[in-house]
Amino acid sequence: KAGVTQTPRYLIKTRGQQVTLSCSPISGHRSVSWYQQTPGQGLQFLFEYFSETQRNKGNFPGRFSGRQFSNSRSEMNVSTLELGDSALYLCASSSGVGGHQETQYFGPGTRLLVL
Amino acid sequence: KNQVEQSPQSLIILEGKNCTLQCNYTVSPFSNLRWYKQDTGRGPVSLTIMTFSENTKSNGRYTATLDADTKQSSLHITASQLSDSASYICVVNVLSGGYNKLIFGAGTRLAVHP
Repeated sequence: KAGVTQTPRYLIKTRGQQVTLSCSPISGHRSVSWYQQTPGQGLQFLFEYFSETQRNKGNFPGRFSGRQFSNSRSEMNVSTLELGDSALYLCASSSGVGGHQETQYFGPGTRLLVL
Repeated sequence: KNQVEQSPQSLIILEGKNCTLQCNYTVSPFSNLRWYKQDTGRGPVSLTIMTFSENTKSNGRYTATLDADTKQSSLHITASQLSDSASYICVVNVLSGGYNKLIFGAGTRLAVHP
């Protein structure tokens, strides 16, 4: 099976712009979670989608939003970019129905730099 | 105070040596504790998942232990290899609002030198 793929891998934006990141989960997986990773804060949970519905949400401002399509692919959008949004954005997929012991499989991430 | 704290922050060992990484957590109720390995520039890869009733779990040269009473976990790496150089992240899965939520530690950066 192909792993989790994320596009683009690298992105440079300027303050005030908006950005959309894409994630394709492992075939058959219905849950997609998004994380932000920065050197100072480590990995932080953004949100989780399951069957096109947001199932869980972290403590990020409303500038961060996401959605999931019927084929389980997910997109994350950040509007009005700030310098502090520079980070590695990771997507992880799981089947979503196996309960709390499910393994999440992470993609390679999208590295976003905001200038 | 972080809910999941890892120590040491970084570690350098020689190839072939063993090492132990620590994770202390305060969150509850938790459903499981996970250890991930993250190579530079890549996404994390799951090493072990333990429920609160499990004391130890192994994955090759990696052995994780869990003491739910003291809320401590450790990851022991045996006979280290150069490819073990990575960040190791402890993650606690808590129940929040009826859903599972992962809380990540800051990680321990391990460097294995020849």
